[in-house]
Amino acid sequence: EAGVAQSPRYKIIEKRQSVAFWCNPISGHATLYWYQQILGQGPKLLIQFQNNGVVDDSQLPKDRFSAERLKGVDSTLKIQPAKLEDSAVYLCASSLFSYNEQFFGPGTRLTVL
Amino acid sequence: QKEVEQNSGPLSVPEGAIASLNCTYSDRGSQSFFWYRQYSGKSPELIMFIYSNGDKEDGRFTAQLNKASQYVSLLIRDSQPSDSATYLCAVNTPNNAGNMLTFGGGTRLMVKP
Repeated sequence: EAGVAQSPRYKIIEKRQSVAFWCNPISGHATLYWYQQILGQGPKLLIQFQNNGVVDDSQLPKDRFSAERLKGVDSTLKIQPAKLEDSAVYLCASSLFSYNEQFFGPGTRLTVL
Repeated sequence: QKEVEQNSGPLSVPEGAIASLNCTYSDRGSQSFFWYRQYSGKSPELIMFIYSNGDKEDGRFTAQLNKASQYVSLLIRDSQPSDSATYLCAVNTPNNAGNMLTFGGGTRLMVKP
């Protein structure tokens, strides 16, 4: 069974630029999550999708971050414009349902200069 | 604000010893508990989950849950240098959106040969 796929693996941009990350969850997993992990901290949930609907985006900085999950499968997370403090690893995870264990992709390491 | 607390460490144990990792959580409504291992530069990997009070064993790993004390722990027997990593405790709590997973900051474990 293929795991969660993410791209790109690394991205370096300058502040005020925009960036987008892509995630493909495990086949059949209804729930998809985007986390932000700053060095030395645990992952922080940004947004949670159930199929193609948003169920929790309370910690998403909506003035600059946006996410979508078209057709309930792939998802993209966008930052526009980026700030220095957005430098982090962005992790995508999926689970069969929201109460099941989550499986993580390899992450995208973002550096904002 | 749901909180999950872990000692950041590092916790240093000699090879072959038992490593004990602890986690406390604030929301009494939390229902399921997960331990993830994260090697440096890698994404979190699920080790175990536990739903009921008591112990759950899987190989060298034992998860312990005490809901009355809001405490969950992970014991690693016969610790190996390859167990050196950051261990993340995650707590799943029902909310209006379904279920939300909250991570602790992680405990860094160092197993010395």
